[in-house]
Amino acid sequence: DTAVSQTPKYLVTQMGNDKSIKCEQNLGHDTMYWYKQDSKKFLKIMFSYNNKELIINETVPNRFSPKSPDKAHLNLHINSLELGDSAVYFCASSQDPTPGGYTFGSGTRLTVV
Amino acid sequence: AQKVTQAQTEISVVEKEDVTLDCVYETRDTTYYLFWYKQPPSGELVFLIRRNSFDEQNEISGRYSWNFQKSTSSFNFTITASQVVDSAVYFCALSEVNTGGFKTIFGAGTRLFVKA
Repeated sequence: DTAVSQTPKYLVTQMGNDKSIKCEQNLGHDTMYWYKQDSKKFLKIMFSYNNKELIINETVPNRFSPKSPDKAHLNLHINSLELGDSAVYFCASSQDPTPGGYTFGSGTRLTVV
Repeated sequence: AQKVTQAQTEISVVEKEDVTLDCVYETRDTTYYLFWYKQPPSGELVFLIRRNSFDEQNEISGRYSWNFQKSTSSFNFTITASQVVDSAVYFCALSEVNTGGFKTIFGAGTRLFVKA
């Protein structure tokens, strides 16, 4: 069983479109995250949810909207996609408040053309 | 403010050499956590180790060892007798208490090439 699963794995779309990435974890963790990894491999946190509540919201354009219907799911919706949104997006989970290592999903490679 | 510096962008070694990846961090907190992650060419991110700020004991796991020194704010990672399968990008990360939980930031990563 996959611990943190993201779908889709690859996403190619045109500028201006709206798209969603889904994430689910079956580890019973309380906290879930979205990270963006750019072409230089730099990993930057975007959002963090603890038990369905938003706790970290970094400086991310408001075209990005996370949604957590329950603590096992954290989806990412992106409106009006731009070329600069092309990246790999990683979902992760951890058992806060004492953080163990994150368990990451396998990533979603988003390409905006 | 949190900061993690991995000054080595790329390192290239020949198999069986030992290699140390450096990590220097900045934090104002007394309670924090440090991590290392591996990202092989396949792209997944794999957790390697966690250390809390109150535990400065070094750790060894097989060919991997970690040296945590609060006096120099460093958490270095050594691979002994490197193998081709160790080729990956390695990230150091720092986790501090944030409202409602912990916030983790990552260093820029060190790309390790191990040649046969």
